[in-house]
Amino acid sequence: DGGITQSPKYLFRKEGQNVTLSCEQNLNHDAMYWYRQDPGQGLRLIYYSQIVNDFQKGDIAEGYSVSREKKESFPLTVTSAQKNPTAFYLCASSINWGRETQYFGPGTRLLVL
Amino acid sequence: AQTVTQSQPEMSVQEAETVTLSCTYDTSESNYYLFWYKQPPSRQMILVIRQEAYKQQNATENRFSVNFQKAAKSFSLKISDSQLGDTAMYFCAFMKVGNKLVFGAGTILRVKS
Repeated sequence: DGGITQSPKYLFRKEGQNVTLSCEQNLNHDAMYWYRQDPGQGLRLIYYSQIVNDFQKGDIAEGYSVSREKKESFPLTVTSAQKNPTAFYLCASSINWGRETQYFGPGTRLLVL
Repeated sequence: AQTVTQSQPEMSVQEAETVTLSCTYDTSESNYYLFWYKQPPSRQMILVIRQEAYKQQNATENRFSVNFQKAAKSFSLKISDSQLGDTAMYFCAFMKVGNKLVFGAGTILRVKS
């Protein structure tokens, strides 16, 4: 089955700790995205990648980092610099940037201990 | 910057009846895409419908249809024969060609039996 997978489903972070959220797609999509969703709100773009080995900051990139070494994978690291990381994180992909429909993974819930 | 406004924070509808969710957007562009996404309690974001701005014909997908009024910058979603499984948060989203996806704040729809 083609799709987008995210792991883990739930993640707990201690103070001062970096954590990494996984996103994998087997849709052969060039573009991938990370969004943050806070309770009762819409989605905000953290980072995006138009093609492998390239990525750009979105609207709220501070405290986050990404890599895109493989077409299928776009991991997001939440660093200790992100002071309010508790949120729902959604990964998405599309055939290409800025024109095609984005399809979403099931999400990761990040909680701070 | 483009903005998307969903003026109805919450709505409810009886099973089998019809409901319309409102969305307006602000842009000076002529070429863009509009989307409705559904986020059920599982929190997976699911594409409901997509509309290309250059197409005058309103998009439909089974029980879901849109009323796209380009001059008024309005993009409402009509759900016919509402089902319990339609209970979800619905997000309207706008994408200028070659640019990011911008989401509204969402409308919670509750379908009552």
